[in-house]
Amino acid sequence: DGGITQSPKYLFRKEGQNVTLSCEQNLNHDAMYWYRQDPGQGLRLIYYSQIVNDFQKGDIAEGYSVSREKKESFPLTVTSAQKNPTAFYLCASSLSGQGIGETQYFGPGTRLLVL
Amino acid sequence: DQQVKQNSPSLSVQEGRISILNCDYTNSMFDYFLWYKKYPAEGPTFLISISSIKDKNEDGRFTVFLNKSAKHLSLHIVPSQPGDSAVYFCAAINGNTGKLIFGQGTTLQVKP
Repeated sequence: DGGITQSPKYLFRKEGQNVTLSCEQNLNHDAMYWYRQDPGQGLRLIYYSQIVNDFQKGDIAEGYSVSREKKESFPLTVTSAQKNPTAFYLCASSLSGQGIGETQYFGPGTRLLVL
Repeated sequence: DQQVKQNSPSLSVQEGRISILNCDYTNSMFDYFLWYKKYPAEGPTFLISISSIKDKNEDGRFTVFLNKSAKHLSLHIVPSQPGDSAVYFCAAINGNTGKLIFGQGTTLQVKP
């Protein structure tokens, strides 16, 4: 059955360490997105990609990096430059990323905690 | 600058009654609105949407109303069920950029 998977469910990061969050989809969607959710705030866009080998910064891209080598995969790296990485990270995908009113489908999320 | 605002962090309703979740927006370029439902430790799931050319959209127990002049939309759940207890996010799409902007979320608790 189709869907979006994220792993791991929980991730612990030490100070100064880079960590990578996985996101995979088998929905054949062109567009993929990474959001961050903090308590009392809406989801904020980190990066998005509308096609393989191309991606754009969202509203809070500093301290993060992404790659899109395959249509199905959009990993997010939280670098040591991200000073406040503790949050719930959500990956999403949509059919093309270009249609108005296009619904985004979300993965189950990864909670990142700093040790 | 919060362009999509859900001013009520939480709402508690008795089972069988109506739940009304509110959302306000500031950007007149928003032309499509969506509601997402989120359970703890899960990703949001799409619930219902409305285009700016409409003022109402209904899907079963869920109805979304849009008041463009007031830049306000609301989600009505009738009758409310305990399984509806979740965080509800309002989201808007900027017609120019295609970006999806989320509100802060409202936690709904439906009591049996």
